[in-house]
Amino acid sequence: DAGVIQSPRHEVTEMGQEVTLRCKPISGHDYLFWYRQTMMRGLELLIYFNNNVPIDDSGMPEDRFSAKMPNASFSTLKIQPSEPRDSAVYFCASSLNRGLDQPQHFGDGTRLSIL
Amino acid sequence: QKEVEQNSGPLSVPEGAIASLNCTYSDRGSQSFFWYRQYSGKSPELIMSIYSNGDKEDGRFTAQLNKASQYVSLLIRDSQPSDSATYLCAGEDSNYQLIWGAGTKLIIKP
Repeated sequence: DAGVIQSPRHEVTEMGQEVTLRCKPISGHDYLFWYRQTMMRGLELLIYFNNNVPIDDSGMPEDRFSAKMPNASFSTLKIQPSEPRDSAVYFCASSLNRGLDQPQHFGDGTRLSIL
Repeated sequence: QKEVEQNSGPLSVPEGAIASLNCTYSDRGSQSFFWYRQYSGKSPELIMSIYSNGDKEDGRFTAQLNKASQYVSLLIRDSQPSDSATYLCAGEDSNYQLIWGAGTKLIIKP
């Protein structure tokens, strides 16, 4: 089975540019999560969707960040304008449901560097 | 503030010994707990989950949960160099939100 697919794997861009990260969840999974991981702050939940609907975006750091899920097989996380402090690894994860027997499966991540 | 705390390490263990990783949590409403392993430069992958008090074994791995003490642990028997990684503990709160620890870096010395 294909796992969670993220693109690009690496992104290097200059401050002020728009960045778009993409994610394809595992087919049939109803939940999709966007995380950011840094050495200083660890793994942080940014936003999650249930059946394509954003449920909790309280982790989105500021208005420069936005996320969409137009259908069950695709989601984007956009940063506009980007800043050097946005440099991190961004993970997308999906799960069939919530609870003990429904773990989150992570994609390989996008390593983002803002110069 | 709901928190999951882990010693950041590194925890150094000789090959073949038992590695013991610990995690405490503040939210008494948390019912389920997960251990994820993350190799350097890779994504987290699920090792074990547990929701009942006591021990749960899967191969060389044993998860332990003590809800009275708000304590979760992961034991790795017969440690191998390939077990060297960062281990993330996560607790699921009453809203099914995962609260993540910062992770413990484990080094298995040959």
